[in-house]
Amino acid sequence: AQRVTQPEKLLSVFKGAPVELKCNYSYSGSPELFWYVQYSRQRLQLLLRHISRESIKGFTADLNKGETSFHLKKPFAQEEDSAMYYCALIQGAQKLVFGQGTRLTINP
Amino acid sequence: GAVVSQHPSWVICKSGTSVKIECRSLDFQATTMFWYRQFPKQSLMLMATSNEGSKATYEQGVEKDKFLINHASLTLSTLTVTSAHPEDSSFYICSARETAEVGTEAFFGQGTRLTVV
Repeated sequence: AQRVTQPEKLLSVFKGAPVELKCNYSYSGSPELFWYVQYSRQRLQLLLRHISRESIKGFTADLNKGETSFHLKKPFAQEEDSAMYYCALIQGAQKLVFGQGTRLTINP
Repeated sequence: GAVVSQHPSWVICKSGTSVKIECRSLDFQATTMFWYRQFPKQSLMLMATSNEGSKATYEQGVEKDKFLINHASLTLSTLTVTSAHPEDSSFYICSARETAEVGTEAFFGQGTRLTVV
C-alpha cells in the first residue's frame, strides 16, 4: 500500500538558517508527489509538485527515486514560512494521501 | 487558484441525527473529489474518493453506510454523516481535482467542524 512518512512532527529553526523537511514514500508505481502548506487559520494550499521542478517561495523539492524521498528545502528560512507542511502522494487510482505533517516554526 | 467551498463551516447536531456537508467547486468542474477527516493535531485521513456519476471508493475502515457520499454533478459533492454520534465529531475537509492528469493540483475547502452533542 502507498504510504507517505514525515518523520518530524515539529521542526524549529532560526530565521536565515537552512530548512529541510523530510518526506519518504512507499509506492510501487511512478508516484506523483506534492508539498502542501497550511498557514495559521487558512486552508490547505499547494506549495509545489514534483512534476514541475519549480521553486516556490524559495522552496524546492527533488524526487529521489533511489531513496524514495521528496524532501522540501529552503536555503534561508523566513518568519513567514512558519506553517504546517504536508507531503502528499497520488497514485494511479487518484487517491491523494498525506503524510503526518510537520509543523515548522521559524524563530526570529 | 481555483476555489472550493464547503458548507457549513461548522455545525452542531444532536446525537442520532444526520448532517449533510456540501463541497462545491466554484470556478471549475471537478472530475474527482476527496473527503478527509482530521483529528486535532493530526494529519488528514482520506475517507473516500468520489468521481462524478459513480459510486465513491471508500478507504478501509470507513463505513459507507455511515458516511454517505454523493457526487451528483461536476461541481458538487456531499457527505452525509448518518445517525451521528459524539465520536463522529471532527473536522471534515473536501478537496477537488479538475482532471486526473499528472500534476493536476487538488484544491481544498475550508473544512467543516462537526460537533455531535
